[in-house]
Amino acid sequence: SQTIHQWPATLVQPVGSPLSLECTVEGTSNPNLYWYRQAAGRGLQLLFYSVGIGQISSEVPQNLSASRPQDRQFILSSKKLLLSDSGFYLCAWDHRDSPLHFGNGTRLTVT
Amino acid sequence: GDSVTQMEGPVTLSEEAFLTINCTYTATGYPSLFWYVQYPGEGLQLLLKATKADDKGSNKGFEATYRKETTSFHLEKGSVQVSDSAVYFCALSDPGTNAGKSTFGDGTTLTVKP
Repeated sequence: SQTIHQWPATLVQPVGSPLSLECTVEGTSNPNLYWYRQAAGRGLQLLFYSVGIGQISSEVPQNLSASRPQDRQFILSSKKLLLSDSGFYLCAWDHRDSPLHFGNGTRLTVT
Repeated sequence: GDSVTQMEGPVTLSEEAFLTINCTYTATGYPSLFWYVQYPGEGLQLLLKATKADDKGSNKGFEATYRKETTSFHLEKGSVQVSDSAVYFCALSDPGTNAGKSTFGDGTTLTVKP
C-alpha cells in the first residue's frame, strides 16, 4: 500500500535561519507531488507542485523553494526564514484521476 | 477563477445531533467536488467525492449531493459522534485537472460534545 512520510512533525526556528522539510512517498511510482501551507483558520494554499524529477512549478511568489531530487522525494527549503513563514505545511501526492493523499504535516513556528 | 465558500465555524453539536455544513462553489464547466476531513494534528483525508451533477458521495455516514442548479455540495450526517470532531474542507477540481490542484474552502471546525 502507498504511504507518505513527512518530517519533522514540529519545528521551531529563529528568523533568518534555513529550513528543510522532507517528504517521501512509498508504494507508488511517478507521483505528482505537492507542498501546501495551511494558515490558522484558513484553507490550503498550494505552494509548489512537481510532475517529475527536477520539475517544479511555483504557485505563489515567496521566500521558499522546492526540489525533487528523486522520484518519490520532495523537499521544501528556505535560505532565510521570515516570521510570516510560520504555519502548517502539508505534503501530498496523487496520480491523474486518483484521490489526493496527504502527509501528517509539519508545524513550523518561526520566532 | 474558481472559488469555494464554506459556512463559517466553529460548529458545536451534541452527540447524535444532525449535521449540515454548507458549501457553495464558483467554477467554469463541471468540476469534481470533494469533502476532506482533518483530525487534530494530522493531514487531510478524502471523505467523499462526486464527479457529476446529482451524484451523491457517501462515506462513514456522511453524505453530500452535487447540486449544479444551486452550485452546492452540502455535507450532512444524521447522527454525529464525538469522534467526528475535526475540520472539514470542501474542494473542487476542474475537469482534467489533478486533485492536487484543487481549490479548497477555508474549512469548518466541528466539535461534538458527549
